Amino acid sequence: GQSLEQPSEVTAVEGAIVQINCTYQTSGFYGLSWYQQHDGGAPTFLSYNGLDGLEETGRFSSFLSRSDSYGYLLLQELQMKDSASYFCAVRDEGNTPLVFGKGTRLSVIA
Amino acid sequence: DTAVSQTPKYLVTQMGNDKSIKCEQNLGHDTMYWYKQDSKKFLKIMFSYNNKELIINETVPNRFSPKSPDKAHLNLHINSLELGDSAVYFCASSQPGQGDDTQYFGPGTRLTVL
Repeated sequence: GQSLEQPSEVTAVEGAIVQINCTYQTSGFYGLSWYQQHDGGAPTFLSYNGLDGLEETGRFSSFLSRSDSYGYLLLQELQMKDSASYFCAVRDEGNTPLVFGKGTRLSVIA
Repeated sequence: DTAVSQTPKYLVTQMGNDKSIKCEQNLGHDTMYWYKQDSKKFLKIMFSYNNKELIINETVPNRFSPKSPDKAHLNLHINSLELGDSAVYFCASSQPGQGDDTQYFGPGTRLTVL
């Protein structure tokens, strides 16, 4: 089976940078994804790492180290609207379902 | 032009009742899913259908029965509702073969069992 660990809560100041870590244990590995979910909303896809390294999409970046079974989501120039829950998710094989971590609740404060 | 839609958005019902949630996607995806998100926001897959065929059935009570009349629709019927069924149920779709298997989620159905 798979298991993922991510911090339950993070608080950061508007304009700052925050990193949300995710460590995983899987029998195989088919990529690490990140999803954002605002209160009362649906999860939405943010980024995907299939290979080691950094993927950048605007203010958000995601990093993966397969040898360390570790990844992180980096949010820069934090805005109040970034307050949400962030989930990492993995698949251990091509046809298996995504397994989500328990989510990290990010609170951005002024 | 909603990508994944589901109805109803809210469902309040008594224990023991039977209810259904409907889901439709207009993305042309081959795979659809039902997820359950509990009060602690833990998001767990329940079922997955690919081209109307059930491919994933996680450990879910058999009171839950999915049905896919075509690849654009995946409905969820729940019999004999229990208090523990209270949660938000999300429908999602994706296109297999893409490395990231991006899930496109519907808005969710908040089920409250009294």
